[in-house]
Amino acid sequence: AQKITQTQPGMFVQEKEAVTLDCTYDTSDPSYGLFWYKQPSSGEMIFLIYQGSYDQQNATEGRYSLNFQKARKSANLVISASQLGDSAMYFCAMSLDNTDKLIFGTGTRLQVFP
Amino acid sequence: DVKVTQSSRYLVKRTGEKVFLECVQDMDHENMFWYRQDPGLGLRLIYFSYDVKMKEKGDIPEGYSVSREKKERFSLILESASTNQTSMYLCASSLAGESYEQYFGPGTRLTVT
Repeated sequence: AQKITQTQPGMFVQEKEAVTLDCTYDTSDPSYGLFWYKQPSSGEMIFLIYQGSYDQQNATEGRYSLNFQKARKSANLVISASQLGDSAMYFCAMSLDNTDKLIFGTGTRLQVFP
Repeated sequence: DVKVTQSSRYLVKRTGEKVFLECVQDMDHENMFWYRQDPGLGLRLIYFSYDVKMKEKGDIPEGYSVSREKKERFSLILESASTNQTSMYLCASSLAGESYEQYFGPGTRLTVT
C-alpha cells in the first residue's frame, strides 16, 4: 500500500539556520510525484515544491529544496536561512497510482526562534 | 491570482442536521477534492471529482456525499451530522495530471454538537 511517513512531529530551528524535514514514502508505482505543502496557523495550505520520480535533478524553489533519494525512498525538504515566518506545519504528499489524488503524511510542526 | 473559496470559515451544527459545505474555484480546474484534517492524522481524502457530475470515493467517504453540477463548484454534504464529523474541512482544486499541485481553500472548521 502507498504511504507517506513523516517521523518528526516537531522541529525547532534558530533563525537564519538551515533545517531538514524528513519524508519517506512507499510505493510500487514507477511513476509518482512528491509534493511539500506549508500550513501556517491561518490554516490555508500553500504549495512549496514538487519532484517527479523521473526527474534527475533535485527540485529547488527559492529557499526550498527537495533532497530526493530514490533508492532510499526519501524526499526531505530543506529550508535554507530560516525565517520567523517559516513557523508552520509542513506536509509531504505523494500522487497515487497515475491518478491526480494525493496521499499526505501526518505533518511536522516547525518552530523558528530568534 | 488563483482562488479557491469556501462558504464558511466556522460552522456549528447539531447532531442529525444536514450540512452543506460549498467550494468554488475560479481557475477552470478539472479536478476538485474534499479533505478532512484531524490532529495527528494529516489530511485524508473524502471525495474527488475529475469532471462535472463525476466523482470518486476517497479514503473516508462514509457519512458524506458530494455534488458537482458545475465545473467551478464542488459541494460536500453531511446527510446527518454526527459528533465524529467535527473537523477541519479543506477543499482543493487542480489541473488534470499527476504533476500539478493542488490549490487549497481556507478551510471550514465544523463543530457538531
